[in-house]
Amino acid sequence: DQQVKQNSPSLRVQEGRISILNCDYTNSMFDYFLWYKKYPAEGPTFLISISSIKDKNEDGRFTVFLNKSAKHLSLHIVPSQPGDSAVYFCAASAYGQNFVFGPGTRLSVLP
Amino acid sequence: EAQVTQNPRYLITVTGKKLTVTCSQNMNHEYMSWYRQDPGLGLRQIYYSMNVEVTDKGDVPEGYKVSRKEKRNFPLILESPSPNQTSLYFCASSFYRTGARTQYFGPGTRLTVL
Repeated sequence: DQQVKQNSPSLRVQEGRISILNCDYTNSMFDYFLWYKKYPAEGPTFLISISSIKDKNEDGRFTVFLNKSAKHLSLHIVPSQPGDSAVYFCAASAYGQNFVFGPGTRLSVLP
Repeated sequence: EAQVTQNPRYLITVTGKKLTVTCSQNMNHEYMSWYRQDPGLGLRQIYYSMNVEVTDKGDVPEGYKVSRKEKRNFPLILESPSPNQTSLYFCASSFYRTGARTQYFGPGTRLTVL
């Protein structure tokens, strides 16, 4: 059973609008969360992180929200740009243990 | 330039023919890891290493071996590859301390086992 779920395999958004990518987890011991972005033929690259002591972390156009009670986090991209088109992975870790990755969501930002 | 390199990038082989995928990082990271990516399953960890001569199994270790004789290198060995090991493989590295656990990934190795 997957501990980290990204229930939307794909998402299409118009350029300039907001992209919201969702991630749900089942392990209440997870205390650190990451988002990675992956372009074709490249390895994943780190995008943004959040620890369980926070409920929001912002970096430029990217904001991650964490709702611990719902075991849910989301990545907001505002405004979305065509260069944001990629696969986005959510990853979670418990107390310095190894990261567990979700299956990914393919974001397409349409010009 | 800080990077993780993997070789080869693409490999087609036949069942049972031993192969090694190399991984090297130049960031002096203690932690290194191998993942495989399959459609709908995301990245699943095969093996990891917290430092030289320290390795441990991840979630899907069957059919794989690793070694960590030097800090910078972490090769993945398939002693007798099978078609179900056809996948996209990523090596990653990071520091192993709180607040600096972001992993840096290599470009990937696409392996096909016939």
